[in-house]
Amino acid sequence: NAGVTQTPKFRILKIGQSMTLQCAQDMNHNYMYWYRQDPGMGLKLIYYSVGAGITDKGEVPNGYNVSRSTTEDFPLRLELAAPSQTSVYFCASQRDRGSVETQYFGPGTRLLVL
Amino acid sequence: QKEVEQNSGPLSVPEGAIASLNCTYSDRGSQSFFWYRQYSGKSPELIMSIYSNGDKEDGRFTAQLNKASQYVSLLIRDSQPSDSATYLCAGLNTGGFKTIFGAGTRLFVKA
Repeated sequence: NAGVTQTPKFRILKIGQSMTLQCAQDMNHNYMYWYRQDPGMGLKLIYYSVGAGITDKGEVPNGYNVSRSTTEDFPLRLELAAPSQTSVYFCASQRDRGSVETQYFGPGTRLLVL
Repeated sequence: QKEVEQNSGPLSVPEGAIASLNCTYSDRGSQSFFWYRQYSGKSPELIMSIYSNGDKEDGRFTAQLNKASQYVSLLIRDSQPSDSATYLCAGLNTGGFKTIFGAGTRLFVKA
């Protein structure tokens, strides 16, 4: 049971380039999330999904897109990279909605946009 | 905008002392709260969850929740240098599917 996995671990992008951050979970969790964490800051929600085919915006969705074609995978797409998107990106999953549910995090992807 | 507020610190305590971390939240509908520990360069790791008013103890950690005051705290007894990390307070939204995180408190435990 690998939990939540993310690739790549680190990436440098030039301004205007595009890339996809991969996230997968093998726990059959319904809910998946993408966060970004800027230095010294907490986690900001970018997008989330409550199940395959269903996604919704979080606090900071501009410049990003997501899809959820399967329960396992939740990729995050950056179309035109900007320096403001330099951050650490965490994917997380949660089994279901409810007051006792907690989130499990992947190891993160560090992105540098120059 | 529902928020979770924490003192960013740093909080510095000597080894063996009690570290006290606090946070407040604005969403009165929140029922569940969590403390995550995050080492530098690593992902957050859940260390405590609390759903009811009062105290919940797990080893050296005690979480406290006061829903009337919208206040959550974490006590770490017999602090160790390995406890040095950033501690994120988080609350589950009313719908039970979005977690709102505070900015975190940096804790340093001096040997």
